[in-house]
Amino acid sequence: DGGITQSPKYLFRKEGQNVTLSCEQNLNHDAMYWYRQDPGQGLRLIYYSQIVNDFQKGDIAEGYSVSREKKESFPLTVTSAQKNPTAFYLCASNPDMNTEAFFGQGTRLTVV
Amino acid sequence: DAKTTQPTSMDCAEGRAANLPCNHSTISGNEYVYWYRQIHSQGPQYIIHGLKNNETNEMASLIITEDRKSSTLILPHATLRDTAVYYCIVTGVAGGFKTIFGAGTRLFVKA
Repeated sequence: DGGITQSPKYLFRKEGQNVTLSCEQNLNHDAMYWYRQDPGQGLRLIYYSQIVNDFQKGDIAEGYSVSREKKESFPLTVTSAQKNPTAFYLCASNPDMNTEAFFGQGTRLTVV
Repeated sequence: DAKTTQPTSMDCAEGRAANLPCNHSTISGNEYVYWYRQIHSQGPQYIIHGLKNNETNEMASLIITEDRKSSTLILPHATLRDTAVYYCIVTGVAGGFKTIFGAGTRLFVKA
């Protein structure tokens, strides 16, 4: 089945450690995105990529990093510089930036 | 990117139509209106989108006013499984999909 997969679903890390969240899609989509969601809030854009080997900062990129070495993969690293990393992280993709997006099921990161 | 305004929450009786409004008074001519919904702790799900004309699919109908400054998402026969947060966003050629999602409307469908 085609889709977008995020792993793991739940992730726990100690404060000060970097952690990488996985996002894989087999939809052959060019564009991929990372969003952060805090309780009771909407989604905020962290990074997006329109094509392989290219990505741009979203509205809240500080403390995060990404790579896009393969079309199907867009991993997000939450660094120790991110002051409040505990959140629900969502990955999305679409064929281009002006069509409907498909979302993964999210990774809930808890930093203790 | 154009901003949207939605009510914080709404109730609807099961089996009745749910009408969710959205204001987007600063929308520009090449921007689309998209609707998504998010069931608790899951990824958002695409529902429908439109530019000028009203649209209908198997999930919902989208009514866009003639001046395009507002729209209404209609779930014709709401079920308990339609309880979710509904997001109205506006995006277009310039903004692409990097429009921020607002807090959306929390729809409660009651038996």
